[in-house]
Amino acid sequence: NAGVMQNPRHLVRRRGQEARLRCSPMKGHSHVYWYRQLPEEGLKFMVYLQKENIIDESGMPKERFSAEFPKEGPSILRIQQVVRGDSAAYFCASSLNWDSTNEKLFFGSGTQLSVL
Amino acid sequence: TQLLEQSPQFLSIQEGENLTVYCNSSSVFSSLQWYRQEPGEGPVLLVTVVTGGEVKKLKRLTFQFGDARKDSSLHITAAQPGDTGLYLCAGALGGNKLVFGAGTILRVKS
Repeated sequence: NAGVMQNPRHLVRRRGQEARLRCSPMKGHSHVYWYRQLPEEGLKFMVYLQKENIIDESGMPKERFSAEFPKEGPSILRIQQVVRGDSAAYFCASSLNWDSTNEKLFFGSGTQLSVL
Repeated sequence: TQLLEQSPQFLSIQEGENLTVYCNSSSVFSSLQWYRQEPGEGPVLLVTVVTGGEVKKLKRLTFQFGDARKDSSLHITAAQPGDTGLYLCAGALGGNKLVFGAGTILRVKS
C-alpha cells in the first residue's frame, strides 16, 4: 500500500514561470491537505480538499496560488508567476476521514521548490 | 508569532542522556499531535493526545498533555542516535486544520 506520493521531489523555476506540484493520496483516502514549510518555521496550512471540492483555503495566498483535487488523478497545487519568496518545501498529506481526535494524517516526502 | 511555541529550538546531547522538549500555547486545543521529521522527508505522526492530563508512552518516548489542553511535553529516555530529527507539535483547533510549532531539532551524538 503505497504512501502519499508527491512529485517532483525537486522543482527549479525562474521568476515568472509556473510551478505545478502533484500529490497522489494514499489509496482510499479522499481528504488532501497542502502545507508549506520554510526553514526554521513550522508547517503552515494552505488548503484542504476533498474530491472535486475545496473545503478550506484559508491558508492560501489570494493571488497566484490555486489547488484542485479532480475526480480522477492527483491533487495539483499550482503557483503562477513564481517569485523567490515562493521557494519552500511543499508537503501534501492525506487522511481517510477527518476527526481531529483520532485521525491520522499521512504526509508525502514533499516537493522542494527553488525559484531562481 | 507562532501560535505554538516549541522549546528548545535546538538540542544536542550524548547517547544515553534524557531530554524533554516542550510545546506551549495560550490557546486550547481539542487534540495535540507530535511528529518526527527527518531531512528531505515529510513528518511522521508519533502520537495524538486528546484528554487534559493524558500521558502516553511509546517505547522510550513519553508524551503528556497539559491539564488545560494548552501545552504538551515529550520526554525521551536514554536517547539514541536514531532519535535524531526534527520534532514537531501540532494542535487541532477544530475543524480540519492543524497548527504546527516551529519544531525542536534534536541531535544525539554517539
